[in-house]
Amino acid sequence: QQPVQSPQAVILREGEDAVINCSSSKALYSVHWYRQKHGEAPVFLMILLKGGEQKGHDKISASFNEKKQQSSLYLTASQLSYSGTYFCGTGRTGNTGKLIFGQGTTLQVKP
Amino acid sequence: SQTIHQWPATLVQPVGSPLSLECTVEGTSNPNLYWYRQAAGRGLQLLFYSVGIGQISSEVPQNLSASRPQDRQFILSSKKLLLSDSGFYLCAWSRGDTNNSPLHFGNGTRLTVT
Repeated sequence: QQPVQSPQAVILREGEDAVINCSSSKALYSVHWYRQKHGEAPVFLMILLKGGEQKGHDKISASFNEKKQQSSLYLTASQLSYSGTYFCGTGRTGNTGKLIFGQGTTLQVKP
Repeated sequence: SQTIHQWPATLVQPVGSPLSLECTVEGTSNPNLYWYRQAAGRGLQLLFYSVGIGQISSEVPQNLSASRPQDRQFILSSKKLLLSDSGFYLCAWSRGDTNNSPLHFGNGTRLTVT
């Protein structure tokens, strides 16, 4: 039931792009994306809802393909501040209180 | 604006001792409340969630319990801690259904069971 994220870890240089994927074996209604800095609480980035939408937040955007039960997070022209662990959380119709998180993808951006 | 308070920030407890972690939310009413646990270097595991006073849903069978005595208060408890209970405990709230509302996390409690 836990969504699977890939890759597990990625190292970038400033200015490079990255894609983080989130896949589920169950039908999804929504996908959340969060970023967590070491030792801190996760911070909300965006929610995508059923309907194949895409969203953008500065140079971070995401897509959601509910037919494939997948979401992807796109980080373009990465900055040092993008470093952290990214989590996707998935919600299903009828499970209004349950957001199940993937295992996380650690992103390190180097100067 | 809404704020979430979680305490204590760190806690070291011996095996077999009781546990009580508290979380309160300000600036909103009837929030959905959640307890997540994060083991070192791992993902976020949903432990409990509540959509109203006295309404608790448990996700993982364990020696932990949760209570919601007031609308904006959520408590995580244990009668006897195990070594495996060590981790980073995060309280969170959302305005209604998480399919449409983001989770807002507290700063967390780092629990070490010795």
